[in-house]
Amino acid sequence: GAGVSQSPSNKVTEKGKDVELRCDPISGHTALYWYRQSLGQGLEFLIYFQGNSAPDKSGLPSDRFSAERTGGSVSTLTIQRTQQEDSAVYLCASSPGGRTDTQYFGPGTRLTVL
Amino acid sequence: KQEVTQIPAALSVPEGENLVLNCSFTDSAIYNLQWFRQDPGKGLTSLLLIQSSQREQTSGRLNASLDKSSGRSTLYIAASQPGDSATYLCAAAPLSGGYNKLIFGAGTRLAVHP
Repeated sequence: GAGVSQSPSNKVTEKGKDVELRCDPISGHTALYWYRQSLGQGLEFLIYFQGNSAPDKSGLPSDRFSAERTGGSVSTLTIQRTQQEDSAVYLCASSPGGRTDTQYFGPGTRLTVL
Repeated sequence: KQEVTQIPAALSVPEGENLVLNCSFTDSAIYNLQWFRQDPGKGLTSLLLIQSSQREQTSGRLNASLDKSSGRSTLYIAASQPGDSATYLCAAAPLSGGYNKLIFGAGTRLAVHP
């Protein structure tokens, strides 16, 4: 079946603009995670969704970052007033929801802020 | 705060060698430990997931072990092949929280040459 998909695959934007990154998880997966991979920081957890609610937003780096999930499926990560330090690859992962379940990662969105 | 360290950062070996990648974590209160593979420009592919109650997991030429008391995990790759060239990431899921918020190491970049 289809894996996790993310769009766009690449996004170049100017400093100060808002961007939206989309994640389509595997159908039926209730858990959804966003991570960020940057050169200096490695792979960092951003936010976790169970269904449509986000019990853990502790990894969001500032209030410019927000995320939502609708219908227990698609998730959107929004970055407002982008800064150059936001440049990174944003990865989404989903899992069936149990703690014994592995996470399936999408290919990521490479964000470049000029 | 959980910290995950991987040694070595990079490794170059001739085809056919058996090799060991090391991962250490500072907090033994983990629910599971996972190994992933990342190819350039791609997302992560899960290789092995070891529950905290387990000592090792095997898949084909891969074997991962877990020693919670010493805070260590190793990934053993037998008879390495050029197709094994990739970055290998280990990640620990904290015991608390009831979900798999993964804390990643920086990775080991492996090159297997013919």
